[in-house]
Amino acid sequence: EIVLTQSPGTLSFSPGERATLSCRASQSVSSSFLAWYQQKPGQAPRLLIYGASSRATGIPNRFSGSGSGTDFTLTISRLEPEDFAVYYCQQYGSSPSFGGGTKVEIK
Amino acid sequence: QVQLVQSGAEVKKPGASVKVSCKASGYTFSSYVMYWVRQAPGQRLEWMGWINAGNGNTKYSQKFQGRVTITRDTSASTAYMELSSLRSEDTAVYYCARTVRVYSGSYFERHDAFDIWGQGTMVTVSS
Repeated sequence: EIVLTQSPGTLSFSPGERATLSCRASQSVSSSFLAWYQQKPGQAPRLLIYGASSRATGIPNRFSGSGSGTDFTLTISRLEPEDFAVYYCQQYGSSPSFGGGTKVEIK
Repeated sequence: QVQLVQSGAEVKKPGASVKVSCKASGYTFSSYVMYWVRQAPGQRLEWMGWINAGNGNTKYSQKFQGRVTITRDTSASTAYMELSSLRSEDTAVYYCARTVRVYSGSYFERHDAFDIWGQGTMVTVSS
């Protein structure tokens, strides 16, 4: 099973700042089959990015994904108040697995 | 609009079974694969299995093999997940989630990322 590591567990930013989140895989993720989700308390996850860099329908263009192999990044160009949440990565190149999440909190 | 609506919260005793439903609307149910994913307190999201709503084919995570059964009723546009031999560690929120389909010019490419999620069903296992 591919293990995904998201570190650090918590990042603190002010609104308007740029946020860069990391996801590292224990093995290469085939065909860049990697997704990113946002989850707020009491809600289901929301798909942001699939295929490492393709934005899902309705996702603002301040969210972007990049990377390949074992290292992937989610970038939020300018944090809006509604962006403070927990973010998860997921690989689906082999049996699906999720990262442990990064909480983006207000500084 | 496209949505998945799950059945309500359940409280079960250890050793019992639970069956959760997931009703789809706003899209062609049989054209997609549906996953079941759970989120236990303090644990990572984990996939349990999936069903091809068109042909009924299923695949289960090795962790749940033998305890989970996923079925569907195409006439009702509903998928079901049944988990047996429940233990306290099965206390979690259970989600159904639809996979992404991307049209690539001449065919649909499937991505096992999840673009539509149910609202979640809390299953509590307690004596």
